[in-house]
Amino acid sequence: DAGITQSPRHKVTETGTPVTLRCHQTENHRYMYWYRQDPGHGLRLIHYSYGVKDTDKGEVSDGYSVSRSKTEDFLLTLESATSSQTSVYFCAIPTGGSYGYTFGSGTRLTVV
Amino acid sequence: AQSVTQLDSQVPVFEEAPVELRCNYSSSVSVYLFWYVQYPNQGLQLLLKYLSGSTLVESINGFEAEFNKSQTSFHLRKPSVHISDTAEYFCAVRLNNNDMRFGAGTRLTVKP
Repeated sequence: DAGITQSPRHKVTETGTPVTLRCHQTENHRYMYWYRQDPGHGLRLIHYSYGVKDTDKGEVSDGYSVSRSKTEDFLLTLESATSSQTSVYFCAIPTGGSYGYTFGSGTRLTVV
Repeated sequence: AQSVTQLDSQVPVFEEAPVELRCNYSSSVSVYLFWYVQYPNQGLQLLLKYLSGSTLVESINGFEAEFNKSQTSFHLRKPSVHISDTAEYFCAVRLNNNDMRFGAGTRLTVKP
């Protein structure tokens, strides 16, 4: 979606390696979110940020860390990837005026 | 606490037939309600939302949803579906904070 991009789009990594996913927004929003999508679970919140250097845990934060050194970038890091972290990861920002979210196109991560 | 239950994981339907995708939520406070649509290999897109006011809300492509407070439901309906409506649909609830909870999704398949 316009205003929010994720990279990479696809990644295959080995168990035990660190992985960083990037979310970039051009809307200057304070809030940014990371979700994971798994069949039968919908989307679940991993971490969110409410400003530079201000982050908090979501529903499924174990095994993940985040950083936000600039308003436009929100990084999600898997310190030591496990097969259970194979998923599609989505970044989101608030959609102005609607109380909903605008989502990026997602990153499909496979941990082998 | 709040949760969202989508009662059907898959809904197959023939083209031009009506469809209803069911969503129930649990919350002890007022909520904002959303339906999102996800086409293959894409992120989620906001379809429609209920914030307040009229309990019947409509989208630009013919979908509608009705907020029923007594039954804590927000079912999505369309009187006549098209092949292009084939997608996964997610119901979501949001309190006045940073927590958007999603249902597990309903895969709508429209057959010719």
